[in-house]
Amino acid sequence: KNEVEQSPQNLTAQEGEFITINCSYSVGISALHWLQQHPGGGIVSLFMLSSGKKKHGRLIATINIQEKHSSLHITASHPRDSAVYICAARATNKLIFGTGTLLAVQP
Amino acid sequence: EAGVVQSPRYKIIEKKQPVAFWCNPISGHNTLYWYRQNLGQGPELLIRYENEEAVDDSQLPKDRFSAERLKGVDSTLKIQPAELGDSAVYLCASSLGQEGWGYGYTFGSGTRLTVV
Repeated sequence: KNEVEQSPQNLTAQEGEFITINCSYSVGISALHWLQQHPGGGIVSLFMLSSGKKKHGRLIATINIQEKHSSLHITASHPRDSAVYICAARATNKLIFGTGTLLAVQP
Repeated sequence: EAGVVQSPRYKIIEKKQPVAFWCNPISGHNTLYWYRQNLGQGPELLIRYENEEAVDDSQLPKDRFSAERLKGVDSTLKIQPAELGDSAVYLCASSLGQEGWGYGYTFGSGTRLTVV
């Protein structure tokens, strides 16, 4: 069982839909990252969370430390949001990555 | 700012040949990471540097992989000899350091290695 698990693995949405990607972890962490990776592109850090909620544009990330769960929400999704979204948990001195969620937003 | 710069972007080599990847971190970032990402999987840490010191290389296959970060700035990752299973994307990342975790953590665009 992976220490960091994401769901769903694949997600197809229509433009404008509200999207939620979930991340659960089984280890103690000091922070959690949400990362975005476009095909053939580098990885961009979207959020770093240690508690509560953060918002940037149409992206919202939440974390519940007690439940060991985080979610990434995309409001009013757009085809340019199509990418792999990866959560990564900060445990001791390393990042533990989830396997990613491949999001395809269709026009 | 240029961000984390990696080269080359793509590399195709025959098995048993050597290969090297280069990474230039963001100026002032004392922590540098090398990751390997296989298709459809999340990145796996190979080695982490604090300045010029390798502080976590437990996942680095030391029989064929080596890395260095002279002067605590640029870093190179080498594979010799390469095997078919080494085909992957090799990512470099840098951050301000352990105490500033998550602060300025940035990935490079990666080097896609294909071993044939």
